Amino acid sequence: GQNIDQPTEMTATEGAIVQINCTYQTSGFNGLFWYQQHAGEAPTFLSYNVLDGLEEKGRFSSFLSRSKGYSYLLLKELQMKDSASYLCAVRVNSGNTPLVFGKGTRLSVIA
Amino acid sequence: EAGVVQSPRYKIIEKKQPVAFWCNPISGHNTLYWYLQNLGQGPELLIRYENEEAVDDSQLPKDRFSAERLKGVDSTLKIQPAELGDSAVYLCASSFAGLNNEQFFGPGTRLTVL
Repeated sequence: GQNIDQPTEMTATEGAIVQINCTYQTSGFNGLFWYQQHAGEAPTFLSYNVLDGLEEKGRFSSFLSRSKGYSYLLLKELQMKDSASYLCAVRVNSGNTPLVFGKGTRLSVIA
Repeated sequence: EAGVVQSPRYKIIEKKQPVAFWCNPISGHNTLYWYLQNLGQGPELLIRYENEEAVDDSQLPKDRFSAERLKGVDSTLKIQPAELGDSAVYLCASSFAGLNNEQFFGPGTRLTVL
């Protein structure tokens, strides 16, 4: 089976940095995605990693270690609007194949 | 450019009634996915289409769920009859063969079965 683990909830202060971890055990690996989902809205794409290392995009960065089955999403200079669920997802096979999602981490940003 | 469009956004029905959801993917996206998302959970795949062909429907409860994608564009997902446990958000996503095959999601249809 496929297993993707991430913390259920996290709380962080406005202006701070938060790291959301994700570990995965899947039958294959063809890339890892992070999505942001505000309550009642669609998941929106944040980042994609297929090779080991860090991908930076503005205030958001994502890291991948394939040998450890581990990724993290780093959010800097937190803003209130960053309060949302963050979904870690693995594409197990190549091509336009479905993603296997974790349960999501609900992040609350407080003043 | 318009994103993935879904309708209705919300639907409330009584158990044993039929219900249908509609999805219009992003223009040019040949792959379409239907996912089910329960509260506090990540999306789970129900069915995937490549053009008009269903290529992955192993997770679709075929006794009550059906889907179609005529002409390889719009898609409908139907439940007949609905059960209480079907209450969830039904997400549609689309993608095309590209650098990372990113999936774009619609806003979903929130179904409540009473």
